[in-house]
Amino acid sequence: NAGVIQTPRHKVTGKGQEATLWCEPISGHSAVFWYRQTIVQGLEFLTYFRNQAPIDDSGMPKERFSAQMPNQSHSTLKIQSTQPQDSAVYLCASSTPTANTEVFFGKGTRLTVV
Amino acid sequence: AEKVIQVWSTASRQEGEELTLDCSYETSQVLYHLFWYKHLLSGEMVFLIRQTSSSTAKERSGRYSVVFQKSLKSISLIISALQPDDSGKYFCALWELMNTGGLSGKLTFGEGTQVTVIS
Repeated sequence: NAGVIQTPRHKVTGKGQEATLWCEPISGHSAVFWYRQTIVQGLEFLTYFRNQAPIDDSGMPKERFSAQMPNQSHSTLKIQSTQPQDSAVYLCASSTPTANTEVFFGKGTRLTVV
Repeated sequence: AEKVIQVWSTASRQEGEELTLDCSYETSQVLYHLFWYKHLLSGEMVFLIRQTSSSTAKERSGRYSVVFQKSLKSISLIISALQPDDSGKYFCALWELMNTGGLSGKLTFGEGTQVTVIS
């Protein structure tokens, strides 16, 4: 079990460019979460998929951010026209949404917008 | 609304000592999970231990254990025999099971407690 895999681990983009972050959940996990962490805001919930369907995207900035889960083995978070304030560690987590469960996080993607 | 409070933003102890980190929470749900995570400087969030609201078992995982006081809506993480590598930021998180049986969309995290272990 390789755990939740996030790629790339580090990404530097120029202001205005697009950034795509990848997440491979643990095999068999049907719940996938995206969070981001900054020093100022702390941990912010972005979005949540269950069985590939978007369930809750209340944390997603309405413009420029989008997330997809085209199949059960990966999810992507895309940021268009990146801005310096998008710089953060983006964390993906997966879980089985059952009564006895853990939520496992990937190692994160550190996005730096210059 | 759900809420998680970690009162102490920092804590420090000597190597070998025991440390208790406190967390209180608010929820209107009957069933929920509580998690403790350690956040590394690399950005990685490491799962430590889980407590389910319906469980009366005293959860333990290695040097980590919890004290769960459901009536007080409180959960404490106890780290025994502290080591320098235990330094880091520790987060308490709440994940609610909704009345429909499914889990809500997000974990609610506290602000975290920065732990320093002094050698």
